Amino acid sequence: DQQVKQNSPSLSVQEGRISILNCDYTNSMFDYFLWYKKYPAEGPTFLISISSIKDKNEDGRFTVFLNKSAKHLSLHIVPSQPGDSAVYFCAASVNGDYKLSFGAGTTVTVRA
Amino acid sequence: DVKVTQSSRYLVKRTGEKVFLECVQDMDHENMFWYRQDPGLGLRLIYFSYDVKMKEKGDIPEGYSVSREKKERFSLILESASTNQTSMYLCASSLTSRMGNEQFFGPGTRLTVL
Repeated sequence: DQQVKQNSPSLSVQEGRISILNCDYTNSMFDYFLWYKKYPAEGPTFLISISSIKDKNEDGRFTVFLNKSAKHLSLHIVPSQPGDSAVYFCAASVNGDYKLSFGAGTTVTVRA
Repeated sequence: DVKVTQSSRYLVKRTGEKVFLECVQDMDHENMFWYRQDPGLGLRLIYFSYDVKMKEKGDIPEGYSVSREKKERFSLILESASTNQTSMYLCASSLTSRMGNEQFFGPGTRLTVL
């Protein structure tokens, strides 16, 4: 039973516009959330994270929002660039547990 | 920079063969993980290890075993490969003390079982 869900398998956005990726989770014990980016034939690389004590974290063009009551987080990429075309995975963890639970991923395509 | 390396990028094996996938990390991380990535299913944890000679089952351990004889090396073993084990295999490592359990991934091994 997947505890982290990314219900949109794909997203297409024009260069310069905003990309919004969504992630829902079911386990209320999760208290740390991460986004990973993956290019084909490469391993995932860490992008940005947020602790449950915050509702927003920003790093350059990337912002993650957390809504704990809705068990929902989103990743905003502004402005989108062609190099952002990749698969994005949402992940969650419980403090003290080594494991991460991953979503199925969203493939983002940025059109020129 | 943390570096996680995997022994092969691409591997083709026959049904019933014993397969070894090797992973090495160079940052003295305590924790190491093996995942498989399949379309529509994301990353699923097979096994992980939090110390030398220690291992725990993940979500899908059936058909796999692991070995961690040295801190930097974590091996995934397919005792008798089957076609449903055709997948992308990803190794990762992390520091116990690092908040949020951020994991660092290797480039992956694309395994095809014929």
